[in-house]
Amino acid sequence: KAGVTQTPRYLIKTRGQQVTLSCSPISGHRSVSWYQQTPGQGLQFLFEYFSETQRNKGNFPGRFSGRQFSNSRSEMNVSTLELGDSALYLCASSTTGSSFGSGTRLTVV
Amino acid sequence: SQQGEEDPQALSIQEGENATMNCSYKTSINNLQWYRQNSGRGLVHLILIRSNEREKHSGRLRVTLDTSKKSSSLLITASRAADTASYFCATVGAGGGADGLTFGKGTHLIIQP
Repeated sequence: KAGVTQTPRYLIKTRGQQVTLSCSPISGHRSVSWYQQTPGQGLQFLFEYFSETQRNKGNFPGRFSGRQFSNSRSEMNVSTLELGDSALYLCASSTTGSSFGSGTRLTVV
Repeated sequence: SQQGEEDPQALSIQEGENATMNCSYKTSINNLQWYRQNSGRGLVHLILIRSNEREKHSGRLRVTLDTSKKSSSLLITASRAADTASYFCATVGAGGGADGLTFGKGTHLIIQP
């Protein structure tokens, strides 16, 4: 079974731009969660999608959004990028324990 | 905000020794999980312990949970160089995970050959 796949692996964007990250969960997993990891704040929950519906949401501004498609693939979008959005963005699909992708490292310059 | 706090922040031991990491959390939980992360890559799920369990084993890993103290420990026995990584505890709240996994800041473990 293929694991959780995140694309792209690395991304450099300029302040003010927007970015879309993609996550394909393990086949058969319907829940996809997104996390942001920074040296200062550690790992923080962004949101969770289940069957194309946002089920839970963390404490992030509205610039962070996401969606899930009928094949369970998920995208997250960050608009009006700020320097502080530079982070490793991790996606997880889950049943009991979560399986994480390798992440997308976003650098905002 | 972080739910858990791992202790120590960093640990360096010789290969073959045992490594113990501790995690404390603040609110009631449904379960607690331990993850490993190598060099800023993805997280690998190691073990899950439910709130009604006290101890769990998986290979060289032993996890304990004390809900009265709101704490957990991860023991890695007979450590190997490949165990060098950051280890995180993560909790799922008693409400069933409305806040997703809540992670601690992690323990960075270095195994010296």
